[in-house]
Amino acid sequence: AQRVTQPEKLLSVFKGAPVELKCNYSYSGSPELFWYVQYSRQRLQLLLRHISRESIKGFTADLNKGETSFHLKKPFAQEEDSAMYYCALRGVAGGTSYGKLTFGQGTILTVHP
Amino acid sequence: ETGVTQSPTHLIKTRGQQVTLRCSSQSGHNTVSWYQQALGQGPQFIFQYYREEENGRGNFPPRFSGLQFPNYSSELNVNALELDDSALYLCASSPMGGTYEQYFGPGTRLTVT
Repeated sequence: AQRVTQPEKLLSVFKGAPVELKCNYSYSGSPELFWYVQYSRQRLQLLLRHISRESIKGFTADLNKGETSFHLKKPFAQEEDSAMYYCALRGVAGGTSYGKLTFGQGTILTVHP
Repeated sequence: ETGVTQSPTHLIKTRGQQVTLRCSSQSGHNTVSWYQQALGQGPQFIFQYYREEENGRGNFPPRFSGLQFPNYSSELNVNALELDDSALYLCASSPMGGTYEQYFGPGTRLTVT
């Protein structure tokens, strides 16, 4: 079974402070990991995926297979980063549920001025 | 390029009734996935359709069923509605059988009374 855990439901930081949103996963194999973001009154959208290893809007995330984690980090938070963030996992190609995304419960990030 | 659209935006049904939700996929996408998002939770995978065939199913009872049409639009049908079916239903489309990024629609808010 695949599972994604986001231990923090709420996270508050001040503008300019570093931010880390935690994500741990459970999967027997090598999954694909994603971070999705939902800004106020907007639809869910992809922020980044571990395969591309790129930085989007200053955010990065490293897949740590030993700790089964995929934490999202940004060195200097901005007010416009305030949103709901979801970590998600997709199984290996060829499985019966390939294409299925398993989401965590989400973390609401609030960046105060 | 038109994004994923869903209809209706919201609706209210009575326990025991049946409901049909609709999704138009993004241009060029042949795969549609449906998710249920209960209040305060992350989206949960219901099923995926690829080229008009069901291509993976989550842990939902048979009263949740779907269709995909030749133009790749899709329907989610729920029979014998229960109070716990109250949720936001999200549709996501992607090209090539779900191996690529999934683009989400705005969702349909279903309330069962």
